[in-house]
Amino acid sequence: EAAVTQSPRNKVAVTGGKVTLSCNQTNNHNNMYWYRQDTGHGLRLIHYSYGAGSTEKGDIPDGYKASRPSQENFSLILELATPSQTSVYFCASGDGGQGAGQLYFGEGSKLTVL
Amino acid sequence: QEKVQQSPESLIVPEGAMVSLNCSFSDSASQSIWWYQQHPGKGPKALISIFSNGNKKEGRLTVYLNRASLHVSLHIKDSQPSDSAVYLCAVRKNTGYQNFYFGKGTSLTVIP
Repeated sequence: EAAVTQSPRNKVAVTGGKVTLSCNQTNNHNNMYWYRQDTGHGLRLIHYSYGAGSTEKGDIPDGYKASRPSQENFSLILELATPSQTSVYFCASGDGGQGAGQLYFGEGSKLTVL
Repeated sequence: QEKVQQSPESLIVPEGAMVSLNCSFSDSASQSIWWYQQHPGKGPKALISIFSNGNKKEGRLTVYLNRASLHVSLHIKDSQPSDSAVYLCAVRKNTGYQNFYFGKGTSLTVIP
């Protein structure tokens, strides 16, 4: 079974502080994604990556940065956290192939910005 | 941007009932359609996908796709309390990158 691990699982931050959410995958997948999930919205794509060293903007990138230092690791960085960024964040990996293209999700990181 | 709408928002059924979940999308050129299951406090987990018009059956799950009407449905036969979860419809598109657009989900409760 493909494995995606996120840390921390829960985080409380102050407005203006820096937050880093980390993700590790053991699937050897090229593609990795960061989504956020809020009540009233579906999962929305923040950043994604094709492989080590690459990061691309998704549909809602404002206020977020991403880093992919290796095939296994993908981080989401909030340089100046705001209360509107309170959410549950999910990391996912996928092989990016031309087939059905299943995504494998982590368990989520719940972020509260006070 | 792809729009994915799911109905109903929530559903409560007795154990053993047939469950039908609906999803509509906005672009017939979309690639595969996925259904994910998400239990409280957990990440979404892929259940079943379909690409071609018609139906696909896996165990108690059957999915129907009609590209002309931009509609896909998931049917769960003989529902169990363990099926209680939120079901997400996801449309995969290759718009220069592999992206998935998700609906808001249908919350299913199966009562023993």
